[in-house]
Amino acid sequence: AQTVTQSQPEMSVQEAETVTLSCTYDTSESDYYLFWYKQPPSRQMILVIRQEAYKQQNATENRFSVNFQKAAKSFSLKISDSQLGDAAMYFCAYRRGRNAGGTSYGKLTFGQGTILTVHP
Amino acid sequence: DAGVTQSPTHLIKTRGQQVTLRCSPKSGHDTVSWYQQALGQGPQFIFQYYEEEERQRGNFPDRFSGHQFPNYSSELNVNALLLGDSALYLCASSKDRGQDTQYFGPGTRLTVL
Repeated sequence: AQTVTQSQPEMSVQEAETVTLSCTYDTSESDYYLFWYKQPPSRQMILVIRQEAYKQQNATENRFSVNFQKAAKSFSLKISDSQLGDAAMYFCAYRRGRNAGGTSYGKLTFGQGTILTVHP
Repeated sequence: DAGVTQSPTHLIKTRGQQVTLRCSPKSGHDTVSWYQQALGQGPQFIFQYYEEEERQRGNFPDRFSGHQFPNYSSELNVNALLLGDSALYLCASSKDRGQDTQYFGPGTRLTVL
């Protein structure tokens, strides 16, 4: 079974600074996707960024970027120019790809989450 | 374009009761997945519905059941509620049996007393 581990229960950053959230995962499959979701106190889970395992290029979305190290099974999220609105719980998630075989390719497996605090 | 909606927002039940939670997917989506999120934890996959059938199931007992309607909306039913069922229940919708990006609703907070 796939597992996702976030080893940082809490992180903090000063406004306008950069912070990196860590995530490691365990899988024997070659076709999969990785995600970072943000969950603010309002509870709505919001997709931040997505990475396809077959793509070597790291995904980027505005101030958010990932460092995808496939061999090391590491998928960290870098937030640049942090803003107060970035404060939230961040979850790393894994999903099998269709080409991995079987039918259980739609479910997301989440890590335990990292609470990010942004100080003004 | 309305996103994923869930009802009710909050719910309080007592042990042994039954509860039904509802989810309407984002327009154009045909797949609904349900997740349980205990306080301070990551969401856990309950099951997924596509074409009105349960396609995948996580490690949850049969007390958890669901349904998907022809308009793609979905219900999650929990029977014989336990204190441990208290959690935030999240619905996510997507296209193509979850292969596309999953979009989450705001959740239903269930408290079992």
